[in-house]
Amino acid sequence: GAGVSQSPRYKVTKRGQDVALRCDPISGHVSLYWYRQALGQGPEFLTYFNYEAQQDKSGLPNDRFSAERPEGSISTLTIQRTEQRDSAMYRCASSFPGLAGGETQYFGPGTRLLVL
Amino acid sequence: SQKIEQNSEALNIQEGKTATLTCNYTNYSPAYLQWYRQDPGRGPVFLLLIRENEKEKRKERLKVTFDTTLKQSLFHITASQPADSATYLCALQAGTALIFGKGTTLSVSS
Repeated sequence: GAGVSQSPRYKVTKRGQDVALRCDPISGHVSLYWYRQALGQGPEFLTYFNYEAQQDKSGLPNDRFSAERPEGSISTLTIQRTEQRDSAMYRCASSFPGLAGGETQYFGPGTRLLVL
Repeated sequence: SQKIEQNSEALNIQEGKTATLTCNYTNYSPAYLQWYRQDPGRGPVFLLLIRENEKEKRKERLKVTFDTTLKQSLFHITASQPADSATYLCALQAGTALIFGKGTTLSVSS
């Protein structure tokens, strides 16, 4: 089936505006992750959902960042009052729990956010 | 603090040689470790997973070792090809999060 999709692929916004980034995981995948990736760095964990429950939000940088997955499928990452330092690639990944643990994560193409 | 280090930012080798990439970690006791490949402008793609009770794992031209005493994983690509040129990321599971290294960019010249 289709892979993980994210929209928009590019987002340019002015400082102080709110943005909403969308992730559509692979159908049937229980786990959903949000990451932020700076140039030349590996993905940095932001938050994790198991079905609709946000089970780990320890990576969210501050309270301007929030995420939801109300029906256990599509997820939205919202950044309020954006700042220039929020500019980065935001990636979503999904996985289906393996029987023996160790979940392979399938990444989406990412949303490139630029805050002017 | 917890840390994952991929020792080389860049590795250049000739086609046909074996590429060896290193991943070291501190202050973790991971049950398993994963390696991903990332091409420019794309998301990471899963390659291999190795568990703490496995010393070595192979998949085609790829081989991964995992030494929990040394806290190190080695990733080998044998008979390397220009198409293997990419950034390779190691990742550890820490609770529900995957913690990634910065990656090593491999360039294979013909």
